Amino acid sequence: SQQGEEDPQALSIQEGENATMNCSYKTSINNLQWYRQNSGRGLVHLILIRSNEREKHSGRLRVTLDTSKKSSSLLITASRAADTASYFCATPQGGSEKLVFGKGTKLTVNP
Amino acid sequence: DVKVTQSSRYLVKRTGEKVFLECVQDMDHENMFWYRQDPGLGLRLIYFSYDVKMKEKGDIPEGYSVSREKKERFSLILESASTNQTSMYLCASTVGQGDSYEQYFGPGTRLTVT
Repeated sequence: SQQGEEDPQALSIQEGENATMNCSYKTSINNLQWYRQNSGRGLVHLILIRSNEREKHSGRLRVTLDTSKKSSSLLITASRAADTASYFCATPQGGSEKLVFGKGTKLTVNP
Repeated sequence: DVKVTQSSRYLVKRTGEKVFLECVQDMDHENMFWYRQDPGLGLRLIYFSYDVKMKEKGDIPEGYSVSREKKERFSLILESASTNQTSMYLCASTVGQGDSYEQYFGPGTRLTVT
């Protein structure tokens, strides 16, 4: 029951550059969430954007949502080596408490 | 801060053994989840519990069962471990605000079945 699909699968950038990850989904949603996972650890919630929002900021994170295209993007500005992680988008399954996660984008920030 | 803990970070078991993975959350959340994560497949939901003694199958429940006797604790049971159950297992719980359910994850248990 895969819903979100992230793109690219992997991204390698230099410290200080911006990183952009995209997520596409298939059905109507009331919110979309982004999570980060450091290697071998659990996921950490980053940000939630509701279907009536187009853009949301949290620190160096900027998330956009285009419901007409069924897509979202996560922008990390001025990246740091500590941002190296996998990033996942997640959408509610059928309006329930369950989330469906994409396969993730693996971001490497080189010092 | 919400804390979700899992009983082991690493576990090695033999084929055929009965395996218990424990998850505890400290924020009185109703909803708890077990996922497995495999390279190239992402996170897949095994089981979901929305209250004590209540459970619902996820996408890949075969070979697994769960127990939720107390609100804070959700256990995943591998009745007879097999090598294809070697994986990273992640537990999560949710706090809900209206229709938005942010999930809090434990650190994960990397299980190897030999």
